[in-house]
Amino acid sequence: NAGVTQTPKFRVLKTGQSMTLLCAQDMNHEYMYWYRQDPGMGLRLIHYSVGEGTTAKGEVPDGYNVSRLKKQNFLLGLESAAPSQTSVYFCASSYSVGETQYFGPGTRLLVL
Amino acid sequence: GQNIDQPTEMTATEGAIVQINCTYQTSGFNGLFWYQQHAGEAPTFLSYNVLDGLEEKGRFSSFLSRSKGYSYLLLKELQMKDSASYLCAVRDQGGGSYIPTFGRGTSLIVHP
Repeated sequence: NAGVTQTPKFRVLKTGQSMTLLCAQDMNHEYMYWYRQDPGMGLRLIHYSVGEGTTAKGEVPDGYNVSRLKKQNFLLGLESAAPSQTSVYFCASSYSVGETQYFGPGTRLLVL
Repeated sequence: GQNIDQPTEMTATEGAIVQINCTYQTSGFNGLFWYQQHAGEAPTFLSYNVLDGLEEKGRFSSFLSRSKGYSYLLLKELQMKDSASYLCAVRDQGGGSYIPTFGRGTSLIVHP
């Protein structure tokens, strides 16, 4: 039982490049979330999903897209990376909305 | 929207007791979470309060006063391994989302 896993763990991008972050969970959770964490800013919600095939915007969605084609996977895409997107990205899942969230280990992204 | 306030940093001595406060303003309070996050790691669940009062779980306790918009996390018999960031997250039913919003976190430093 791996819980929540994230790929990759660390990535360096140049401005304008694109990439996809993968989150996978094996707990059969309905809800999945993408957060970014910046120094002094706490965890901010980017996008979330309430089930397979559905996505919704969070607090800071601009510059990101997401997809949830399978229940266990939640992908976060950056189409044209900007230095302002340098951050640590955490994926989380929960059985239902507002329930305890289980977080992945994080992806550290540096955009030059 | 929500306004969640926590002290940025606290220091304490090994073996002592420390209280980390969280105040919030929300239109439809529906529960409060505390998470622990060690440096470079994922947040992990500590406690959940939805009714007024104290919830005790080993060395950690969490208190809630809904009328005052106030919660605290109490850590007893502090150990060096308790040095971490402590995140308060408030669940709000306003807007129908129910997704918890995180405060900026309190960095706790435990010294010998």
